[in-house]
Amino acid sequence: SQTIHQWPATLVQPVGSPLSLECTVEGTSNPNLYWYRQAAGRGLQLLFYSVGIGQISSEVPQNLSASRPQDRQFILSSKKLLLSDSGFYLCAWNTGYNSPLHFGNGTRLTVT
Amino acid sequence: GEDVEQSLFLSVREGDSSVINCTYTDSSSTYLYWYKQEPGAGLQLLTYIFSNMDMKQDQRLTVLLNKKDKHLSLRIADTQTGDSAIYFCAGTSGSARQLTFGSGTQLTVLP
Repeated sequence: SQTIHQWPATLVQPVGSPLSLECTVEGTSNPNLYWYRQAAGRGLQLLFYSVGIGQISSEVPQNLSASRPQDRQFILSSKKLLLSDSGFYLCAWNTGYNSPLHFGNGTRLTVT
Repeated sequence: GEDVEQSLFLSVREGDSSVINCTYTDSSSTYLYWYKQEPGAGLQLLTYIFSNMDMKQDQRLTVLLNKKDKHLSLRIADTQTGDSAIYFCAGTSGSARQLTFGSGTQLTVLP
């Protein structure tokens, strides 16, 4: 069966520090991978998605970047965090668009 | 693109049925999904319905789809305290590469 791992679960970082969040998927090949952010309200904002190694699409301009160095690994990064980067970050995967999205447990990021 | 709307809050008594409603705009949505999010956790896929179906039942969950009105509902029978969570509906269209989520409905189950 397929599983998705996301870490760390919580993170507190000072403004201006770098960020690296990692997500890996097991039990499937060539998944589509996604990074979402959920702000203090409810809404889910799609940040990045990837349909293959080295292929990254960005949905909104921001202080963050994403990379996919391996087929089942997706990394969210920042060189210098801003206060506004605080939020709940969710990694997700599916086998193609029109197929269900499966989410990781999320990372709660607090920038101080 | 797809827009998905939900009411923000719903309170029910334990043992009653809950009905969470959702409207969407893109009539070409192929699949419509319901997700559950418990506090501090990711989104858990509950169920989904293909656009050529009117109803889908899975144990205590019943999904109804009214394509004419672009209305989707999730009925939870015999609601329990463990059902307290935020419920998201989401739709996808043939031209989109990602799901569009509603803002979520906070379901509170009262004892």
